[in-house]
Amino acid sequence: QQKVQQSPESLIVPEGAMTSLNCTFSDSASQYFAWYRQHSGKAPKALMSIFSNGEKEEGRFTIHLNKASLHFSLHIRDSQPSDSALYLCAVSQGGRALIFGTGTTVSVSP
Amino acid sequence: EAAVTQSPRNKVAVTGGKVTLSCNQTNNHNNMYWYRQDTGHGLRLIHYSYGAGSTEKGDIPDGYKASRPSQENFSLILELATPSQTSVYFCASGADREDNQAPLFGEGTRLSVL
Repeated sequence: QQKVQQSPESLIVPEGAMTSLNCTFSDSASQYFAWYRQHSGKAPKALMSIFSNGEKEEGRFTIHLNKASLHFSLHIRDSQPSDSALYLCAVSQGGRALIFGTGTTVSVSP
Repeated sequence: EAAVTQSPRNKVAVTGGKVTLSCNQTNNHNNMYWYRQDTGHGLRLIHYSYGAGSTEKGDIPDGYKASRPSQENFSLILELATPSQTSVYFCASGADREDNQAPLFGEGTRLSVL
């Protein structure tokens, strides 16, 4: 059974700083890796996803994937108060159900 | 616009009662999912479906049944609700391949079992 773990559980970052979030997974056959963001009381919304090893950048967001070390990460450049939310990483075997981590709560202080 | 709609948005049920949570998607996605979210546990997969007439057990299926009567609709059924099933439930729909679109979530149903 796939195990997905996130670190840290929570963090506080000053406005304008870099936010770095980590996710590890247990199944080396995993094919799809995603980050979701969830504001309080709202639905999770997909932020970014990646299929193959390496890095992908979209605006202020960068995702890194290293399948050999069973690890991927999300980096948010120039963090804004509106980035304050619960961040969830998710993994699947491609077209199968996403398995989520327990989440990292991010607070960006003005 | 792609959408996943859940009903009801809030529900109070009594212990031992039957509860049905409904989900409708207009995305023409084959795959649909039910998750529950509790503090400290993230999103946990209860049941999922790859198409009309199919249901599969997720990681925490005990105490829940699912029904997929059509492409658009996916229900979660609690035959005998218990207080431990108090939670926020999310439905999602997804394509066969995520490179088309990441799974989309509904706004959630807050269920309290008293």
